[in-house]
Amino acid sequence: GAGVSQTPSNKVTEKGKYVELRCDPISGHTALYWYRQSLGQGPEFLIYFQGTGAADDSGLPNDRFFAVRPEGSVSTLKIQRTERGDSAVYLCASSDNTGELFFGEGSRLTVL
Amino acid sequence: GEDVEQSLFLSVREGDSSVINCTYTDSSSTYLYWYKQEPGAGLQLLTYIFSNMDMKQDQRLTVLLNKKDKHLSLRIADTQTGDSAIYFCAEPLDSWGKLQFGSGTQVVVTP
Repeated sequence: GAGVSQTPSNKVTEKGKYVELRCDPISGHTALYWYRQSLGQGPEFLIYFQGTGAADDSGLPNDRFFAVRPEGSVSTLKIQRTERGDSAVYLCASSDNTGELFFGEGSRLTVL
Repeated sequence: GEDVEQSLFLSVREGDSSVINCTYTDSSSTYLYWYKQEPGAGLQLLTYIFSNMDMKQDQRLTVLLNKKDKHLSLRIADTQTGDSAIYFCAEPLDSWGKLQFGSGTQVVVTP
């Protein structure tokens, strides 16, 4: 497939557990974004990578959230000590910096 | 801070025109975007408009921009059942890919 791929599509976890969400961007796209979408809301920016480095992580809500992109392609969003308020759809988008973001279908996280 | 605001819901009959409205926050935004979200699918860029334009037409879509009032609208002509979706307007924050989205307008098209 040529699109942005996110896994898992659904994740149910218990409060306090650790979670990893993966994003496989479109091949050749240097820019990668993570957004979070709560129920009934629009997506909210979390973090942006240009290549391997986090160019802007100002949207991460607190230090329980961390993201990496070690080889400039696949990215992993990591959430420690999950809380019920972390329940949302986590969206990944990639871009070749021409002005359009290509979004994946998202990973739905439910924290019980 | 201020939010990008949209009405929550719009019901329209098939074949009629739909108009979705949005009020954005930053008068210096260079681009403004409309995204479409369908169940089971990712957000998809529908159209965008440069801030130096008042109107952009793209097939059945017409975007109107009123910079003075910071008002953006999307008109869909001859609305079809496949247009049923949630529509988000968005403006860039401090870089073009870092977007502030509205809360979305759910459009339901009835036969």
